[in-house]
Amino acid sequence: EVQLVESGGGLVQPGGSLRLSCAASGFTFRSSWMHWVRQAPGKGLVWVSRMNSDGTNTGYADSVKGRFTISRDNAKDTLFLQMNSLTAEDTAVYHCATGDYGSANYWGQGTLVTVSS
Amino acid sequence: QSALTQPASVSGSPGQSITISCTGTSSDVGNYNIVSWYQQHPGKVPKLLIYEVVKRPSGVSNRFSGSKSGNTASLTISGLQAEDEADYFCCSYVGSNTFVFGTGTNVAVL
Repeated sequence: EVQLVESGGGLVQPGGSLRLSCAASGFTFRSSWMHWVRQAPGKGLVWVSRMNSDGTNTGYADSVKGRFTISRDNAKDTLFLQMNSLTAEDTAVYHCATGDYGSANYWGQGTLVTVSS
Repeated sequence: QSALTQPASVSGSPGQSITISCTGTSSDVGNYNIVSWYQQHPGKVPKLLIYEVVKRPSGVSNRFSGSKSGNTASLTISGLQAEDEADYFCCSYVGSNTFVFGTGTNVAVL
């Protein structure tokens, strides 16, 4: 069974940093492209970032480019999202997700990031 | 990377067919056949319904179908059922390993 379990969320002050993790199991993580997608409370889905299977190709939404960094450890089946210079607009549940053909058919339950003073 | 435009809400009666549009530009929807659709019930994670514009993952009902014309992709739900009441999101590849979601559509079954 595919499982994606996010962690690392919490309350952080504006301008602060947070590192999210996504532990993967039940599939061949090292062969899989991975996404981060966020959803603010009561709002829609927002694509954040994607990384290819070996970590050599990344993409970012304009809203996070230069502040967020996606990375992965294929030896530990774990995906990361380093988030710096956080603002209130970054408050959301952050999901990791994976799938083929540019889509995401497996999603984690997400971890809540709240940016507030 | 502007969000793709979807109608805020669409409604229909049980058994009817409804179509949700997803309008982008020639840089995203119009340029790539990498459009996916997701269904999200309240408090749940999104579920993939359609990928690569028209393909259905295994296990997804054939009542859901996708299409595209120019810069607009569409999701059609036929034989509308009460369980189809949910939010629906489209997503398109934009190039350079980036994607954009639609604004989302709430489907109500009357």
